[in-house]
Amino acid sequence: ETGVTQTPRHLVMGMTNKKSLKCEQHLGHNAMYWYKQSAKKPLELMFVYSLEERVENNSVPSRFSPECPNSSHLFLHLHTLQPEDSALYLCASSQEDSSNQPQHFGDGTRLSIL
Amino acid sequence: GQNIDQPTEMTATEGAIVQINCTYQTSGFNGLFWYQQHAGEAPTFLSYNVLDGLEEKGRFSSFLSRSKGYSYLLLKELQMKDSASYLCAVRSHLPYGGATNKLIFGTGTLLAVQP
Repeated sequence: ETGVTQTPRHLVMGMTNKKSLKCEQHLGHNAMYWYKQSAKKPLELMFVYSLEERVENNSVPSRFSPECPNSSHLFLHLHTLQPEDSALYLCASSQEDSSNQPQHFGDGTRLSIL
Repeated sequence: GQNIDQPTEMTATEGAIVQINCTYQTSGFNGLFWYQQHAGEAPTFLSYNVLDGLEEKGRFSSFLSRSKGYSYLLLKELQMKDSASYLCAVRSHLPYGGATNKLIFGTGTLLAVQP
């Protein structure tokens, strides 16, 4: 399924670098999400955007900064990250209304902090 | 608090049947999803339950008991390609996000299908 596309697939950066993760959904959905997936831990919800407005910030450190310029695009800006931030970052989208539609996920960006 | 429990690992034989259990304690329950995730790939949607009972989709079935906070995913006629992580996720309504919901995931059950 190519409904949700994430770039880059892999990213290695130093703790002082600034980088951005990009997510694009081609499904016409009205909500987008960032998740963090670490080994042996559940997917952790980071941010939720509904109709381009942030509706959930799950106690995420300020070194992660999301941006949703329109309903199809979602970014995660990264700066001064820590080694424990190394993980798989997954983007998802869904159509949030009275129907019971699932979230659709991208393949993720594998992030390694040196 | 919110908590979802599922076994960490399971092993089964090709052609057999396997049941993966999930128990949960959450507030604002609004449905339960099962996802499949192969290593290095995106989680993909398998099934959804919001009412008690069994939902069947081909080789996969999912059951929900809301009063017990319990669900299971049943995989029949196992194939080698079914080796993957199976994620149980409970949906709950965001209090201030209109119709928007959030998913709370378990740690996933890594299923190994052996010949």
